[in-house]
Amino acid sequence: NAGVMQNPRHLVRRRGQEARLRCSPMKGHSHVYWYRQLPEEGLKFMVYLQKENIIDESGMPKERFSAEFPKEGPSILRIQQVVRGDSAAYFCASSIGETGVMNTEAFFGQGTRLTVV
Amino acid sequence: AQTVTQSQPEMSVQEAETVTLSCTYDTSESNYYLFWYKQPPSRQMILVIRQEAYKQQNATENRFSVNFQKAAKSFSLKISDSQLGDTAMYFCAFMPYNNNDMRFGAGTRLTVKP
Repeated sequence: NAGVMQNPRHLVRRRGQEARLRCSPMKGHSHVYWYRQLPEEGLKFMVYLQKENIIDESGMPKERFSAEFPKEGPSILRIQQVVRGDSAAYFCASSIGETGVMNTEAFFGQGTRLTVV
Repeated sequence: AQTVTQSQPEMSVQEAETVTLSCTYDTSESNYYLFWYKQPPSRQMILVIRQEAYKQQNATENRFSVNFQKAAKSFSLKISDSQLGDTAMYFCAFMPYNNNDMRFGAGTRLTVKP
């Protein structure tokens, strides 16, 4: 069973371009979480999704950022019109259920490093 | 490649007592950071403590301290005077000094019992 797969591992975009980050959860997992790690900071929660639903997007910037987790295929974190401040590592985690409930644990991917030049 | 291993999927402790969570890692890097993150049911990832590999002194943050054994590649977290609010998933993480290639362990679920 492959772990959580994120691609690309490294992504370089010019200011104003779009960045699309993909996350394939572990097999059987229907819950996905996205986190952003800014340089010298810890992980910041962005959004929590179940298949076809956004459950909690309280950590997502209101503009330019969006996330989806379609019925088929990976979860996508999309950043439009990227700016230098978007440069960070973006981590995805997946779980079989909601973490904190019924001893459900989350498994992390290796992250996508976005560099905006 | 770096790997991080947390060998205790679940732990429990009585309120006010002390508990130690284990973490080992494998790397060929000489300079790196080690972290412990706490994930309560709110899903936020809270940085508990951070250790820089070049520092021999173990990091301490209030009731949280680490036992960093560089030669053994071990980085355990000690929680003293456990509180009910400490109940959460705890993730150990490793990051090389010269890049952002962070790796996480599978986590340890800690339950503090009243």
